[in-house]
Amino acid sequence: DGGITQSPKYLFRKEGQNVTLSCEQNLNHDAMYWYRQDPGQGLRLIYYSQIVNDFQKGDIAEGYSVSREKKESFPLTVTSAQKNPTAFYLCASSSGTGQGSQPQHFGDGTRLSIL
Amino acid sequence: GQQVMQIPQYQHVQEGEDFTTYCNSSTTLSNIQWYKQRPGGHPVFLIQLVKSGEVKKQKRLTFQFGEAKKNSSLHITATQTTDVGTYFCAGRSGKFYFGSGTKLNVKP
Repeated sequence: DGGITQSPKYLFRKEGQNVTLSCEQNLNHDAMYWYRQDPGQGLRLIYYSQIVNDFQKGDIAEGYSVSREKKESFPLTVTSAQKNPTAFYLCASSSGTGQGSQPQHFGDGTRLSIL
Repeated sequence: GQQVMQIPQYQHVQEGEDFTTYCNSSTTLSNIQWYKQRPGGHPVFLIQLVKSGEVKKQKRLTFQFGEAKKNSSLHITATQTTDVGTYFCAGRSGKFYFGSGTKLNVKP
């Protein structure tokens, strides 16, 4: 059954700690994205990748890092530099490499909170 | 800043009433996509519009793309409780931006 798997579903971060959110897709999509969603707000792009070993900063990349070593995987690290990390994080993928040119398929998300 | 504006932010309707959400951009969009996010869920793609003046229907949902390709609307006829959720538009003008969403609550 094809789709996007995000883990964990819930994550708690201690002050000064880096945490990594996992995103795996078996849709054979080239493009993958990370979004942040705050209550009552839309989705803001953190990072996106259109091809393996390449990624681009989105509108709110500060305090986050990513890697794209495999087509199927696009993990997001929330570093200690991100002072307000509490949010709902959504990973998405799409076919094609033009952002927004094709429908995006989303994972179930990870809710990150500060301890 | 926000490239795609969406109104209203919230809409409460009685079941059976109609609902419309609007999406506006200051620049011409190459396409517009609509997504639905159920409470506690993730956004799910509904439709994409590409052509000027395009109108597409999915059962009780009607999607329009403006003639100038700067605005779009989603209209739901005779809402049902299953329509509850937040509806997002997303448009591409160089970069791709999501609107802030319209949260729809349907009272039975």
